[in-house]
Amino acid sequence: KAGVTQTPRYLIKTRGQQVTLSCSPISGHRSVSWYQQTPGQGLQFLFEYFSETQRNKGNFPGRFSGRQFSNSRSEMNVSTLELGDSALYLCASSLSVGSQNTGELFFGEGSRLTVL
Amino acid sequence: SQKIEQNSEALNIQEGKTATLTCNYTNYSPAYLQWYRQDPGRGPVFLLLIRENEKEKRKERLKVTFDTTLKQSLFHITASQPADSATYLCALDMNNFNKFYFGSGTKLNVKP
Repeated sequence: KAGVTQTPRYLIKTRGQQVTLSCSPISGHRSVSWYQQTPGQGLQFLFEYFSETQRNKGNFPGRFSGRQFSNSRSEMNVSTLELGDSALYLCASSLSVGSQNTGELFFGEGSRLTVL
Repeated sequence: SQKIEQNSEALNIQEGKTATLTCNYTNYSPAYLQWYRQDPGRGPVFLLLIRENEKEKRKERLKVTFDTTLKQSLFHITASQPADSATYLCALDMNNFNKFYFGSGTKLNVKP
């Protein structure tokens, strides 16, 4: 079974630009969540989608947004990039279906964003 | 607000010894707690999950304990090997649609 795939793996942007990151979850997983990881703040929850609906959102400004498609693939977008947005953005998928939900998150390798 | 503390200092141990990592939390009673391993430049990998009504969970050389009174989880790696060197993260569920709070992680160095 293929794992969680994130693209692109690395990207460099300048302040003020916007970026879109993509995540393909494990086949059969309907929940996709996004995390930002920085050396200073660690892993921080951005948002979670299930069946194309955002079920939960972390404490990030509105510049951070996401969506999920009918095939469970997800994208996140960051607009008006700031230097502090430089981070590793991790996508995680999980089964999240009733009694089958073990809560285990399967992470991708991440998209490393550098904002200059 | 939720606070999760893991020892930010690296843990250096000799091969063959038991590594013990600590995760303390405040202001919340999670239904379960998870441990992940993260290697440099990679995404975290799930290791173990322990529920609030479980005191201990084992998987091969790994053991996790969960004390909801102390609000603490201990993660043990017995007979440690250099390949166990990595950063270990604990994560608490928020009973809220796969929203997890992660600790900052403890870097484990196992020396041959």
